[in-house]
Amino acid sequence: TQLLKQSPQFLSIQEGENLTVYCNSSSVFSSLQWYRQEPGEGPVLLVTVVTGGEVKKLKRLTFQFGDARKDSSLHITAAQPGDTGLYLCAGVDTGFQKLVFGTGTRLLVSP
Amino acid sequence: GAGVSQSPSNKVTEKGKDVELRCDPISGHTALYWYRQSLGQGLEFLIYFQGNSAPDKSGLPSDRFSAERTGGSVSTLTIQRTQQEDSAVYLCASSSNRASSGNTIYFGEGSWLTVV
Repeated sequence: TQLLKQSPQFLSIQEGENLTVYCNSSSVFSSLQWYRQEPGEGPVLLVTVVTGGEVKKLKRLTFQFGDARKDSSLHITAAQPGDTGLYLCAGVDTGFQKLVFGTGTRLLVSP
Repeated sequence: GAGVSQSPSNKVTEKGKDVELRCDPISGHTALYWYRQSLGQGLEFLIYFQGNSAPDKSGLPSDRFSAERTGGSVSTLTIQRTQQEDSAVYLCASSSNRASSGNTIYFGEGSWLTVV
């Protein structure tokens, strides 16, 4: 069974702080995605990283895919209360064409 | 509709009863996925459809769980003889093609199932 472990599991910070969320696996994925989920809603795709070592920026969010395509990180600069939510990484399983989701990181940004 | 539609949004059922959860994917999307999410946790894969066929049923937790898809569109997830551990949010998602093709997967808002 493929597993994607995220850390930390829960993060509570003040507005303006920086943070990094990690997503680690022993398996190689063809690509990796990051989602954000708010209460009562389904996950919404933030970004897809495909190439080992790739770095993508989305405003204050920076996503990195490890060289070996087994791990990834999400860095948020100057967090805002609107960033609050559950962040999920997901690896694309080339064998079965499905997403394997991480354990999730719940972020709370206080004003 | 414009997005993935799921019904019911909330369902409370008694232990031992059967439940059906419905998913109406985005029109034209050939791939359909069912996931289960326990409170505040990550998503657990249940089953994947490509058209009407299910090449991957590996995530169904027991033989009480089954799913079908007809006409390449609507899918129904059925849970027989529900147990309290079945309580979770059941999320459906669809995409225009398989995940590895780089197509975006769109999720519905989920069906919250509570077994009492």
